[in-house]
Amino acid sequence: EADIYQTPRYLVIGTGKKITLECSQTMGHDKMYWYQQDPGMELHLIHYSYGVNSTEKGDLSSESTVSRIRTEHFPLTLESARPSHTSQYLCASTKATQETQYFGPGTRLLVL
Amino acid sequence: AQKVTQAQTEISVVEKEDVTLDCVYETRDTTYYLFWYKQPPSGELVFLIRRNSFDEQNEISGRYSWNFQKSTSSFNFTITASQVVDSAVYFCALSPSTYNFNKFYFGSGTKLNVKP
Repeated sequence: EADIYQTPRYLVIGTGKKITLECSQTMGHDKMYWYQQDPGMELHLIHYSYGVNSTEKGDLSSESTVSRIRTEHFPLTLESARPSHTSQYLCASTKATQETQYFGPGTRLLVL
Repeated sequence: AQKVTQAQTEISVVEKEDVTLDCVYETRDTTYYLFWYKQPPSGELVFLIRRNSFDEQNEISGRYSWNFQKSTSSFNFTITASQVVDSAVYFCALSPSTYNFNKFYFGSGTKLNVKP
């Protein structure tokens, strides 16, 4: 059982609001990832991190930003949410290269 | 090129039928890992299996079995005697050795509907 948590699970907000999606893992994994996914559709990597103070953009361009100040914590921030940001956001972590990525339960975001 | 293709977008079966989900991958790497994940309607991705490129033995876990064939670059997943709880979207993924940040290449998923 993977110990990776995401909050909130569901979020409905208005356009222009700033939001932070939280992701935490208690497994001591160095590598963490954020994916964006429309329900049941393909996963798109938007951010990843090798470890503390390391963040990189993924394949899909995203207006979100991330930070990695502590190993266990990898929050994602949208400074000004728009309806186009409506999606599910999945956080994942892994111990090492080619090891299994373990996923959190996801945050479903709806921007009105 | 690194790519995973799940050609079956959606499959519907009746409970107790066997069903096979296809996964075809492309990679130039000789060392890589393949994965299957299940995504139920609740949204989380649940890890099912991890297989490395040097291990072509088929694997069985309860009603689930996986057939890895390097010759055809396929890693197919079979559910025997399907149940309604198997209804989900299933993703196949490839992790080549090229990238040291453990990049996964996901297929587009196959939605399985198991009807009672």
